[in-house]
Amino acid sequence: EDKVVQSPLSLVVHEGDTVTLNCSYEVTNFRSLLWYKQEKKAPTFLFMLTSSGIEKKSGRLSSILDKKELFSILNITATQTGDSAVYLCAVYKTSGSRLTFGEGTQLTVNP
Amino acid sequence: ETGVTQTPRHLVMGMTNKKSLKCEQHLGHNAMYWYKQSAKKPLELMFVYNFKEQTENNSVPSRFSPECPNSSHLFLHLHTLQPEDSALYLCASSSQSTSKGEQYFGPGTRLTVT
Repeated sequence: EDKVVQSPLSLVVHEGDTVTLNCSYEVTNFRSLLWYKQEKKAPTFLFMLTSSGIEKKSGRLSSILDKKELFSILNITATQTGDSAVYLCAVYKTSGSRLTFGEGTQLTVNP
Repeated sequence: ETGVTQTPRHLVMGMTNKKSLKCEQHLGHNAMYWYKQSAKKPLELMFVYNFKEQTENNSVPSRFSPECPNSSHLFLHLHTLQPEDSALYLCASSSQSTSKGEQYFGPGTRLTVT
């Protein structure tokens, strides 16, 4: 059975801190790994990773994939209160249209 | 502003009611999805439509009935629901021809079954 596990499940930090969110997976026919940010309702797309070792960056956020060890990390530097959200990791397979999601990491950034 | 809209945003219904959730995407995509998000649980895929044809039904109870009249619209018809069906229902869309999994989500409908 396909599995996506995120850790930690929740994290509380102060503004300015750097955080690392983890996502490990066990799926057959892996194609890509995606990160989403969910603040109130709609998850919004952050990154899609298909190749190992290539870092994707967007401002203070960055992510990298390790296809040998089957995990990905999402880094957020100089955190701000607006980064408070649930961060979702999902894996997409080559067969079908299915995204398998992890449980999410609830990040709270305090001023 | 999201290219995927959902109505209503909030819905309270009794167990004997019949209601429908609506989703519309303005992104020119050809695949649409229904997900259920319950507290403390991962997003669960319910249904997938590609070019208006249902391609996945993830063992969803028959009290949930999807309808996809065209590639831009998706409905979820609800009848005789149970209290455990209370959740956030999210719609998403993607372009199947170019997609490596990237799906765009609507704001969701918060459903409460009393």
